[in-house]
Amino acid sequence: ELKVEQNPLFLSMQEGKNYTIYCNYSTTSDRLYWYRQDPGKSLESLFVLLSNGAVKQEGRLMASLDTKARLSTLHITAAVHDLSATYFCAVGVSGTYKYIFGTGTRLKVLA
Amino acid sequence: DVKVTQSSRYLVKRTGEKVFLECVQDMDHENMFWYRQDPGLGLRLIYFSYDVKMKEKGDIPEGYSVSREKKERFSLILESASTNQTSMYLCASSYPGPGYEQYFGPGTRLTVT
Repeated sequence: ELKVEQNPLFLSMQEGKNYTIYCNYSTTSDRLYWYRQDPGKSLESLFVLLSNGAVKQEGRLMASLDTKARLSTLHITAAVHDLSATYFCAVGVSGTYKYIFGTGTRLKVLA
Repeated sequence: DVKVTQSSRYLVKRTGEKVFLECVQDMDHENMFWYRQDPGLGLRLIYFSYDVKMKEKGDIPEGYSVSREKKERFSLILESASTNQTSMYLCASSYPGPGYEQYFGPGTRLTVT
């Protein structure tokens, strides 16, 4: 059974600081996604990672994938208040259309 | 822009009622999904559909059924609502294939009293 664990679950950080959110998954997968959810809103796609060593960057966020370690990271550089949200990783179950989501990391950036 | 719409943002129903949640997407996506989102549990897949009239159970299908009569519409049905089905329900759609992310609707917050 594919399990996806994110840590930390909660993260409070000062503006201008760097931090990393981790997403570990338990079995082989051919695709990994990161989403953002603002309070009371739906999920918005951030990154799609499909191969070992894949790295994607958008603004202050950078996502990477290590399929051998079954680990993806979402790195935040010089955080700003607008990045406050809940971030989810989702892993595709190989051979199916299914996705398993992590429990989410609630990020709060303090001014 | 891809648009996924859900029939209601908020819904209050009584225990035992039959509840219909509707989802419509306008991007001709083959795949459609229903999730429920609960605090501390993330998103859990209820059902998904990869074509018209095709459906597969997700991780928590008990108490739910689905219908997909047209490509753009995917309905979630609670045959007899119970209080433990109080939750946020999210619909999503995508093209098939690993390179395609899911697009989510705004969600329906269902309260069963």
